[in-house]
Amino acid sequence: EPEVTQTPSHQVTQMGQEVILRCVPISNHLYFYWYRQILGQKVEFLVSFYNNEISEKSEIFDDQFSVERPDGSNFTLKIRSTKLEDSAMYFCASSRDRAFGYTFGSGTRLTVV
Amino acid sequence: AQKITQTQPGMFVQEKEAVTLDCTYDTSDPSYGLFWYKQPSSGEMIFLIYQGSYDQQNATEGRYSLNFQKARKSANLVISASQLGDSAMYFCAMREGNSGGSNYKLTFGKGTLLTVNP
Repeated sequence: EPEVTQTPSHQVTQMGQEVILRCVPISNHLYFYWYRQILGQKVEFLVSFYNNEISEKSEIFDDQFSVERPDGSNFTLKIRSTKLEDSAMYFCASSRDRAFGYTFGSGTRLTVV
Repeated sequence: AQKITQTQPGMFVQEKEAVTLDCTYDTSDPSYGLFWYKQPSSGEMIFLIYQGSYDQQNATEGRYSLNFQKARKSANLVISASQLGDSAMYFCAMREGNSGGSNYKLTFGKGTLLTVNP
């Protein structure tokens, strides 16, 4: 069964450092998303991406965040200058259309120290 | 107001019994979709079942069924014949339609932690 692949599975970074979280969505999917889940809390929407541009972003997704689909297969989330409160599980998801559900990756656990 | 409300922080069920996890939602959009995801302790999000707002019948997927009551705005997940491996966090989520839009983001509830006892 097709999967959404996320790397790395865990990342520890120093506060103020830049991190790039990587995702390979399912190849025939058209809609891409990043979500995050702070430990023990609910999953929160960050950004959606369609047709090579951001279609919606949440208030969490400030100027420190950016997304790219550089080569037609990878989908990346960059945090320019990490803060302690960025520590969370970050999920990438993709969907072909709304009737087929969203496939989530297994997540990247980011720890900012 | 919360768009997705899961009122049960934790639920316990005996193995082989059925359990219902509650979810109510709030939207004024006539077109929406409701999803349930399972998150085991390993952290991944596993898609379980989907119900569209215009679907006439309740969705079923194996041991999972969705008790969709549109007028009450509820979309409860029913797990039949619980297994030990069903112990996990369960999230209800909603996708609201937006005509001509391409967003299709999901809004999640806070989740219900299900524990299946042997």
